[in-house]
Amino acid sequence: DIQMTQSPSSLSASVGDRVTITCRASQSIGTYLSWYQLKPGKAPKLLIYDASNLESGVPSRFNGGASGTDFTLTISSLQPEDFATYYCQQTFITPLTFGPGTKVNIK
Amino acid sequence: QVQLQESGPGLVKPSETLSLICTVSGSSISDYYWSWIRQSPGKGLEWIGYIHYDGSTNYNPSLKSRVTMSLDTSKNHFSLKMTSVTSADTAVYYCARWAGGSNGSDYWGQGIKVTVSS
Repeated sequence: DIQMTQSPSSLSASVGDRVTITCRASQSIGTYLSWYQLKPGKAPKLLIYDASNLESGVPSRFNGGASGTDFTLTISSLQPEDFATYYCQQTFITPLTFGPGTKVNIK
Repeated sequence: QVQLQESGPGLVKPSETLSLICTVSGSSISDYYWSWIRQSPGKGLEWIGYIHYDGSTNYNPSLKSRVTMSLDTSKNHFSLKMTSVTSADTAVYYCARWAGGSNGSDYWGQGIKVTVSS
């Protein structure tokens, strides 16, 4: 199975801050990488697919990047509604696997 | 507007079978891959598997021996059955739509909490 790791596991930030979350795959997955936002009691939300493509309707402050097996999700200016847990997922090969998540807390 | 809604019992006894249905509206089930994902308490997301509109399936090897997925095009829904459940299967179960390849799962249900307990 492809193992996905994320760092940090949690972070505290203020509204307006720039936040970057990193996801690393245990082997090459090309750009078969998506990012999701999870909030309690709500349907998970797709933010980024194909490593850097913004899902329709997602604010442009969300940006995805890739370099080899390292992937990043950057929120350029954190908004109150962005406090949530973020997960990466590889869809290169089954079993599809997720990272362990990064919780973004209010500072 | 595409919507997915999970339904089924919220409480299942150990050793019994968990059965969930995901009803899809706004999208034909005769297309895409239809997935089940779960999140155990305090843990991350675990992919359970998917069923393709052509009926082919792909399950997580860690659960494969206990999982069956099916779809009903007449009702536009798909289902999950998991046998011999234990407390480790207590989780929020999500259904989701996936176009395959490097696409993400673009529509998800809100999730259904399933507790395994006697």
